[in-house]
Order: sequence, then structure tokens, then C-alpha cells
Amino acid sequence: IAGITQAPTSQILAAGRRMTLRCTQDMRHNAMYWYRQDLGLGLRLIHYSNTAGTTGKGEVPDGYSVSRANTDDFPLTLASAVPSQTSVYFCATTDQSGVGQPQHFGDGTRLSIL
Amino acid sequence: GQNIDQPTEMTATEGAIVQINCTYQTSGFNGLFWYQQHAGEAPTFLSYNVLDGLEEKGRFSSFLSRSKGYSYLLLKELQMKDSASYLCAVMDSNYQLIWGAGTKLIIKP
Repeated sequence: IAGITQAPTSQILAAGRRMTLRCTQDMRHNAMYWYRQDLGLGLRLIHYSNTAGTTGKGEVPDGYSVSRANTDDFPLTLASAVPSQTSVYFCATTDQSGVGQPQHFGDGTRLSIL
Repeated sequence: GQNIDQPTEMTATEGAIVQINCTYQTSGFNGLFWYQQHAGEAPTFLSYNVLDGLEEKGRFSSFLSRSKGYSYLLLKELQMKDSASYLCAVMDSNYQLIWGAGTKLIIKP
């Protein structure tokens, strides 16, 4: 079934450790996004990529990095995890960046930093 | 700054109608989206409005007034499966989505 795959589904991580959240899509969408979702807050954009080879910073990029080596993969790395990065992380895609295109979401990664 | 406001929680009865409001102040406007999110799941797309007026899609309708910075999602013939959070998001001048915190809708029998 075509879609967006995120891994892992959930993770408990010690503070200070490095962690990469994976996102893979098979829809050939050119734009990809990483959000975090915290209770009582809206989805907040961490980083985005409008096309393979390019990335941009969102609203809350500090402590996170991304790469977009190809169309399908958009990993998110926490270089040195801190407890405030405990959250649910969603990867999303659209088939073109621009007006009117809905974003499609993966199932999310639930990350707890202790 | 950019701001999206929605009620935190609403309660309605099965079979009834409910209207979820969303007001926004953003730098630019390139359309407004509504998403549904069941607990523990990913958001799923419901509707998109870029012009003023009402868009109807089955039991769900979405309305937009750009001059008032206002939208609502109307759900008719409520079913228990409609219990979920409903997220309002506005696409700004940079084509980025600005999200509201969501409205948790509780449906009672």
C-alpha cells in the first residue's frame, strides 16, 4: 500500500544520545516535512524540503537536522537529545509545494527523552 | 505574529449538528485546511478552502470568510466515530502551514 513509513513507532531515549527518526515515502511527492506535536499546542514545523537536495528551517529547528539525498527519504536527527524534545513526531508529504495541496501524514514516532 | 484560534473542546450528541470555529491572523493567506485526528493516530485531510463560501463534502462542510479571518467546519448527523480532534491550518505567504491547537470533539450517545 502506497504511503509514508515512519520508524521507529516509539522510542525511549536517554538524554544526550543521538537519534535518527526515519521517514520514507513511495508516492514520489517532492515536498516533505517534519512536525512535532505536543499536548495543547498545534503541529509545529521543524524542517522541510521542497525537493530532493534542498532543505529549510521551520518554526522550531534548534537541536534537529535533516537531509534529503533523494526523493523518498527524509531522516530527522537529534544530535544530543534533551527532555524537551519528548514529543510525537510526524513526517508529512505533498505532491508539490504550493497552493492547495493537502499534506499526507505518516503514523508518527512517539519519542520520550529521559 | 501568526495565530490560529480554535475552541479546546466541544461536546455534542449523536445525530446532531456541530460547528467548530477557527479564527486566524497570518502573514498572507493561501488557503485554509481542516484535518481530523483520532487519538493516537495521524491527521487526515478533510477540506480545503481558498475562496469565500461554503464547500460541502458529504456530512462535512467547511466555510471561509477571508475578510473576517474566519472559518468553520460543520458536521451533520454526528456519529460516534466522529469523536476526534479537528485541526485548522492556514497556508501563509511562504506556503507553510500554520496550525491551530485543535478542537477535541466528544460525541455522547
